[in-house]
Amino acid sequence: DQQVKQNSPSLSVQEGRISILNCDYTNSMFDYFLWYKKYPAEGPTFLISISSIKDKNEDGRFTVFLNKSAKHLSLHIVPSQPGDSAVYFCAARAGGTYKYIFGTGTRLKVLA
Amino acid sequence: DADVTQTPRNRITKTGKRIMLECSQTKGHDRMYWYRQDPGLGLRLIYYSFDVKDINKGEISDGYSVSRQAQAKFSLSLESAIPNQTALYFCATSDFSQGTQYFGPGTRLLVL
Repeated sequence: DQQVKQNSPSLSVQEGRISILNCDYTNSMFDYFLWYKKYPAEGPTFLISISSIKDKNEDGRFTVFLNKSAKHLSLHIVPSQPGDSAVYFCAARAGGTYKYIFGTGTRLKVLA
Repeated sequence: DADVTQTPRNRITKTGKRIMLECSQTKGHDRMYWYRQDPGLGLRLIYYSFDVKDINKGEISDGYSVSRQAQAKFSLSLESAIPNQTALYFCATSDFSQGTQYFGPGTRLLVL
């Protein structure tokens, strides 16, 4: 049972436009959510996170939105740059644990 | 120097062989994790350790064992490798005060 789902395996966006990556979860006990970016031949690197007590967190060009009632989060990248081309994973953690459940990833390609 | 290192980076082995993957970290974190990544399945947790004396199974621990030799070292062993253990393996660390995990560069394992 996939508790964290990224239903779009890939996404292509023109440089300068907005990229929106989506993630859905099923476990209402999740209280902390993270986005990671992964380049080929490298490990995932932390991008941005959000606690369940918030509905938005912003860091430069990256904004994560959390809709708890819909069990949905999204990552917005504005403006998108070719260097943003990578695989993006969302991850979730249940309160009181340090076990993270990862989605299957979305491959973003930003076209110059 | 990288904060989380993994050796080897690539390994080819034969069915039935014993193999060990090693992870070292210089971040001073107490928590360490082993994940595997398969195409279309994201990252799945194999084992995790909250300190030297604490080892816990993840969601896919069958066929694997681990050893936490020191706070900075966490090894993953395949006692008798099989082809469906062919995957990309990541080590990660985190500390008790942060939700963020820091990943190593990965070990690509091929079992023939």
